Amino acid sequence: DTAVSQTPKYLVTQMGNDKSIKCEQNLGHDTMYWYKQDSKKFLKIMFSYNNKELIINETVPNRFSPKSPDKAHLNLHINSLELGDSAVYFCASSPSRARVYGYTFGSGTRLTVV
Amino acid sequence: AQKITQTQPGMFVQEKEAVTLDCTYDTSDPSYGLFWYKQPSSGEMIFLIYQGSYDQQNATEGRYSLNFQKARKSANLVISASQLGDSAMYFCAMINTDKLIFGTGTRLQVFP
Repeated sequence: DTAVSQTPKYLVTQMGNDKSIKCEQNLGHDTMYWYKQDSKKFLKIMFSYNNKELIINETVPNRFSPKSPDKAHLNLHINSLELGDSAVYFCASSPSRARVYGYTFGSGTRLTVV
Repeated sequence: AQKITQTQPGMFVQEKEAVTLDCTYDTSDPSYGLFWYKQPSSGEMIFLIYQGSYDQQNATEGRYSLNFQKARKSANLVISASQLGDSAMYFCAMINTDKLIFGTGTRLQVFP
């Protein structure tokens, strides 16, 4: 069983469209995250939810909206997609003792905006 | 402010040799965790090794060991007996308060 699963794995879409990426974890973790990896491979945190509550909201355009219907799911919706949104988006989860156990990552969603 | 620095954008190593990937960090919090992740060309992020700030001994996991020098704020990854399958991006990361932050990564290439 996949611990953190993201769908879709690849997403190609036109500028201006709205798209969503879904994430589910079956590890029983309390906290989930979205990270963006740019073309230079730099990983930056975007959002974090703990038990459905938003706890980290980095400087991200408000076209990006996370939604957590329950603590096992964290979805990312992106409105009015722009070329600069092309990147790999990783979902991750962590237990309450994240400082010891770290994060478990999904396999990533490669978003290409054309 | 927290910061992770990896100064080696790329490294080459011959198969069966050992290689050290450098990582320095900056934090004012006395309690933190240091991690190394591997990202092969397939793209997934694979956890390799963890070191806690209060751990007295350097962490080891199979062929991976972490050379932790707290006073110098360094957490270098040592891979012994390199294999062709070790070719990948390697990221150093740190967590203290509420989020895991990453360095810019080192691309390791292992040649026969």
